[in-house]
Amino acid sequence: QVQLQESGPGLVKPSETLSLTCTVSGGSISSYYWSWIRQPPGKGLEWIAYMYYSATTNYNPSLKSRVTISVDTSKNQFSLQLTSVTAADTAVYYCARYDHRAFDYWGQGTLVTVSS
Amino acid sequence: QSALTQPASVSGSPGQSITISCTGTSSDIGAYNYVSWYQQHPGKAPKLLIYDVSKRPSGVSNRFSGSKSGNTASLTISGLQAEDEADYYCSSYTTSSSWVFGGGTKLTVL
Repeated sequence: QVQLQESGPGLVKPSETLSLTCTVSGGSISSYYWSWIRQPPGKGLEWIAYMYYSATTNYNPSLKSRVTISVDTSKNQFSLQLTSVTAADTAVYYCARYDHRAFDYWGQGTLVTVSS
Repeated sequence: QSALTQPASVSGSPGQSITISCTGTSSDIGAYNYVSWYQQHPGKAPKLLIYDVSKRPSGVSNRFSGSKSGNTASLTISGLQAEDEADYYCSSYTTSSSWVFGGGTKLTVL
């Protein structure tokens, strides 16, 4: 059974960089596409980015200038960096596996609050 | 890219059927048969219910079904049960090689 677990700081200051890591267990990261999705408190889901282990990536056009997603196959992990954060970036951040043209496995999510 | 349009809320009594609509454009729902639906209980991660418009992953009840007509997709839940009370989100692949979600629909089981 594939399991995903997000990790990273729960509090980030405005204008700084948000960095999160997703650790994948129960399967190889090299066989699928992987994605980051976020959900502001009380609001809907927003797709952020996806990547393939070969470093193929694509980003939400509205976030593209601030987002980088990368993979570490040796650790079976992939990561998200979001620069110049504001309060609007406060959200629960999920990592998810993409297969059959849908997000079939999700992490439990991690709340990141942007505040000074 | 704009979010897909879903009703904010729907409700139904146990045993009844309900349908949640998800309206997009010719650049997303209308362009591909890559619509998926997710169920989210409070404080939990979303769970995949439907992919490729109408396919169910292994383990998902056949009470959940999906369809699409033009730029609008629909999720139908039959034989409504108390545990179906949750938020539901649609999602679609787009012509920009990205994904877009709906705003979410809160289902209340009366």
